Parts: sequence; C-alpha cells; structure tokens
Amino acid sequence: DSGVTQTPKHLITATGQRVTLRCSPRSGDLSVYWYQQSLDQGLQFLIQYYNGEERAKGNILERFSAQQFPDLHSELNLSSLELGDSALYFCASSVRDRADNEQFFGPGTRLTVL
Amino acid sequence: AQTVTQSQPEMSVQEAETVTLSCTYDTSESDYYLFWYKQPPSRQMILVIRQEAYKQQNATENRFSVNFQKAAKSFSLKISDSQLGDAAMYFCAYRSSSSGSARQLTFGSGTQLTVLP
Repeated sequence: DSGVTQTPKHLITATGQRVTLRCSPRSGDLSVYWYQQSLDQGLQFLIQYYNGEERAKGNILERFSAQQFPDLHSELNLSSLELGDSALYFCASSVRDRADNEQFFGPGTRLTVL
Repeated sequence: AQTVTQSQPEMSVQEAETVTLSCTYDTSESDYYLFWYKQPPSRQMILVIRQEAYKQQNATENRFSVNFQKAAKSFSLKISDSQLGDAAMYFCAYRSSSSGSARQLTFGSGTQLTVLP
C-alpha cells in the first residue's frame, strides 16, 4: 500500500458524459501527478499540481482539467468523453517538487467509456 | 523532449535464471534520474530501482541491478534468480533533475516479463 488513494476504482460511463476522478496523496505530500495508461498511448503524464498550484502540463486534452484543493487532494475532471478516453488513470504523489523525491502511485481508476 | 525506448515488448525467463531488460533514452540534459517500475497484474506501479545520472556506480537492490551507460544512453535491468513473483510488465522511466525542469516521469512502452516454472 503506497498510501495514495484513488476513487472510484472502476468507472463505466457513456460517450459525451463527464466524470471526476479523485486522488488523496500520502500524508504530508505536496505534489500530485496524474498519468494516463492506455493501450494506444502507453503511460503518459497529464498534469502536476504542487501545493495547490498547477506546476506542469503534459499531453492533457482541453476536455480534461484538474485541480488541487487546500487539503491537498486532487481531482481530475474528464468531459465530453470519447471511446478513446478509456484508460487507467493513475495519481502519484511526492513530498516536494524535487527530482530526488520518489513518486508513490495510487492503485488507479479504470475508466471505461461505452 | 526526452524519449525512452524499450525495444523488447516481451521477454521470458526460466525460474532461478537471470534476465536482462533493455532500455535506451534520449536527452540533452546532464542531470537526471532513471527508474525501473514493475506493474504486476494488479496494475499497481511499484518502484524497483533508481539510478542518479551523476553517480557512476550502478544501483543494486537485492536481486535487481542496473547497467547504466551514460554515454550510450543505455539503462538495462538485470534480474537474478528470477522468481514467479517477478512476472510483470516492467517500465523504464526518465525524470529530469535540471533546475527549472518539470519533474514528471517519462515512460517507455514496457516489457512484459514471463517467468517459466
């Protein structure tokens, strides 16, 4: 158990819908990363937040957005869902934003878009 | 941008034998970290080993060791005395440590390791 929690574990929805994925980082971790794992794209970085502020953006679609709240939990919002958005979405957290800080991964949320 | 390449989509090894997984990367940076992550069927991402680019000594964690060749931009993972529990997808990953650079992980496409009893 990494100490990072993600809810829900599984999510099944229809095209065009909107969903919210939630991540609670390890206690004391200020930095949160979101990654997407799909058959087509592999594992890719979406976005990073550090202490409530957006720190870095990767290949995140405009239909996707995220935020980190004062209690440091983070949410990833996916809207106008398409079949290709079906994937495993990971959240990871680290203590700070240093390169030597290990990233601890949550168990992931598996999203299926029908 | 940095890229990470794993050219072996699948590998197999006999239990108790040794296997080496390959990884190459491309970067113009001099300061970075390299990682191997294991993803078993549970899909949990588990850190296996990490290497700091400025360290010439290869990292070792029990049965896992790396061969880091900075000039060749190569970072292979050796698993000794393979066990059934080692069966998983293995990902090589890169992380910049240059000042001002983002800290996300860039992953390779993975190598599926099968351990044969």
